[in-house]
Amino acid sequence: DTGVSQDPRHKITKRGQNVTFRCDPISEHNRLYWYRQTLGQGPEFLTYFQNEAQLEKSRLLSDRFSAERPKGSFSTLEIQRTEQGDSAMYLCASRETDGVTEAFFGQGTRLTVV
Amino acid sequence: GDSVTQMEGPVTLSEEAFLTINCTYTATGYPSLFWYVQYPGEGLQLLLKATKADDKGSNKGFEATYRKETTSFHLEKGSVQVSDSAVYFCALSDLRDRDDKIIFGKGTRLHILP
Repeated sequence: DTGVSQDPRHKITKRGQNVTFRCDPISEHNRLYWYRQTLGQGPEFLTYFQNEAQLEKSRLLSDRFSAERPKGSFSTLEIQRTEQGDSAMYLCASRETDGVTEAFFGQGTRLTVV
Repeated sequence: GDSVTQMEGPVTLSEEAFLTINCTYTATGYPSLFWYVQYPGEGLQLLLKATKADDKGSNKGFEATYRKETTSFHLEKGSVQVSDSAVYFCALSDLRDRDDKIIFGKGTRLHILP
């Protein structure tokens, strides 16, 4: 297993366009998390899944954001009608469902909205 | 809700100096505690963890002890190296609360001078 992978690594888009990011977690991990990180800040929780079920969605996630995890494997995060304030690093992580093991993070997708 | 507070950076030290990065937390349950590190241009990776009170996590010369009485998890290293320059994040996850998302502090940037 090569760890958590995210695609693309970088995305530049024009304001108003839609973007979609993909995350492939470590295969045996049931939990999958999405975070957003801006410069000089820690990762901010966006949403997470237990298998295919979305358990929680942060208030940070406006209606323009949607995430899915079909079949409990990979996940996608879509941002509709992007705004400049959406520019950030989007991080995906996965972990086992025992609450004590650590989460493993991907390299992230850096989004720049121009 | 649960939260993590860590000392603000940047912290600048000379090589071989002693390092302490303070971290305190607020949690309603019994969290697991983590220190993650982000080296320049790389993703988040686990540095060490502790899952119950009085546990000591250690890795690469770094240590942190889970102190329930002071709700703290301070990171220490006896002799830092230039290669330790990175951003360090304290984090918690509370499985006993169904909501076991991982909460991060804002991060502390560490610069080690040769």
